[in-house]
Amino acid sequence: QITLKESGPTLVKPTQTLTLTCTFSGFSLRSSGVGVGWIRQSPGKALEWLALIYWDDDKRYSPFLKSRLTITKDTSKNQVVLTMTNMDAVDTATYYCAHSFRGYFFDYWGQGALVTVSS
Amino acid sequence: EVVLTQSPATLSLSPGERATLSCRASQSVSSFLAWYQQKPGQAPRLLIYNASNRATGIPARFSGSGSGTDFTLTISSLEPEDFAVYYCQQRSNWPPTFGPGTKVEI
Repeated sequence: QITLKESGPTLVKPTQTLTLTCTFSGFSLRSSGVGVGWIRQSPGKALEWLALIYWDDDKRYSPFLKSRLTITKDTSKNQVVLTMTNMDAVDTATYYCAHSFRGYFFDYWGQGALVTVSS
Repeated sequence: EVVLTQSPATLSLSPGERATLSCRASQSVSSFLAWYQQKPGQAPRLLIYNASNRATGIPARFSGSGSGTDFTLTISSLEPEDFAVYYCQQRSNWPPTFGPGTKVEI
């Protein structure tokens, strides 16, 4: 059974760096073809894809946020970490990690982590 | 980026009725389109991938069709648990993008 869970701060101040951790089970990021992505959803808004990391450490980023994002993995801990620098109020959202399926579709999602950016 | 437009924004139906949701892409995405269902306070759930393939465990009342720029998600007979927001997503062109959603309400 595949599960994912996001963890990290619920509140960050403007200009700070956000670090979110996705801890997963039921699959391995050592296995060929496997990837984990991050998607966010601003309150009442649609979904926005952010980043994805593959089993071979190939990393892909949204071109709109690429300068602010870093995605890494720790296969020994079954974790994927997303950092986003220079946080702003517009980055207030629920951040989801998800298991990639057929490339950039997502078949298993975490419960989401609500992050509020406010001073 | 590919812009996905969904219509209608809201669909008001009764249990047992047929729901037809539309997703239109600003350029061809071939068949690389998925549909997700999201209920309040929950993560999205993958329903359909590659335009017409049901994901694991998805009931047969959900079906998808289309290719190129025009896609449809059909729910043949609405169950009470189907009232939710539905999003389409393309992975054909970089970056992957989601539509704004269609709310199916009672």
